[in-house]
Amino acid sequence: GQQLNQSPQSMFIQEGEDVSMNCTSSSIFNTWLWYKQDPGEGPVLLIALYKAGELTSNGRLTAQFGITRKDSFLNISASIPSDVGIYFCAGGLNTGGFKTIFGAGTRLFVKA
Amino acid sequence: DTEVTQTPKHLVMGMTNKKSLKCEQHMGHRAMYWYKQKAKKPPELMFVYSYEKLSINESVPSRFSPECPNSSLLNLHLHALQPEDSALYLCASRRQGNDYNSPLHFGNGTRLTVT
Repeated sequence: GQQLNQSPQSMFIQEGEDVSMNCTSSSIFNTWLWYKQDPGEGPVLLIALYKAGELTSNGRLTAQFGITRKDSFLNISASIPSDVGIYFCAGGLNTGGFKTIFGAGTRLFVKA
Repeated sequence: DTEVTQTPKHLVMGMTNKKSLKCEQHMGHRAMYWYKQKAKKPPELMFVYSYEKLSINESVPSRFSPECPNSSLLNLHLHALQPEDSALYLCASRRQGNDYNSPLHFGNGTRLTVT
């Protein structure tokens, strides 16, 4: 089946540093999404990407949909303590119904 | 605040109990999803409903029974669960089933514990 390989698994950084995480797959996806999940809550959408090559920003966050449609990255600039959480990439594809599958997540720890 | 509302927030049930999880959205979305999430793991897809019809069942055991009574509501009926079914159950919705330009919106989940 379709699988997303997300890395790194976890990151420990200082406040103010930039962060980069990525997802790759052997499958082609129609959409790439990045979510953040805080404890006790559902995932919250950060950025949605719909076209190969698309580069989109949302405040300090920037994400790109890879040209091959098999990968995506998320960058966070000038990290702050509230960036702590789990970041998931997700790929959307149509398999007789539109399903969205998730990478394993990147746990981000920010030291003030 | 999320626009997808799930109840209850927490549920503890015995292995012989029957219970239901409920999900509601009023965004006019026509695709609704159930995901299961174990601790420190990503959400795993269980079921997809598109225009109130079941379109994807990811080989989920029959002790989980989904129901979509109308376009705003999604239920998950639980019966004879096992302790390993304890998890966070997340509901999500999308604008339309085959609309690529439409991301998933999640509720905050029901934390289920099976004793």
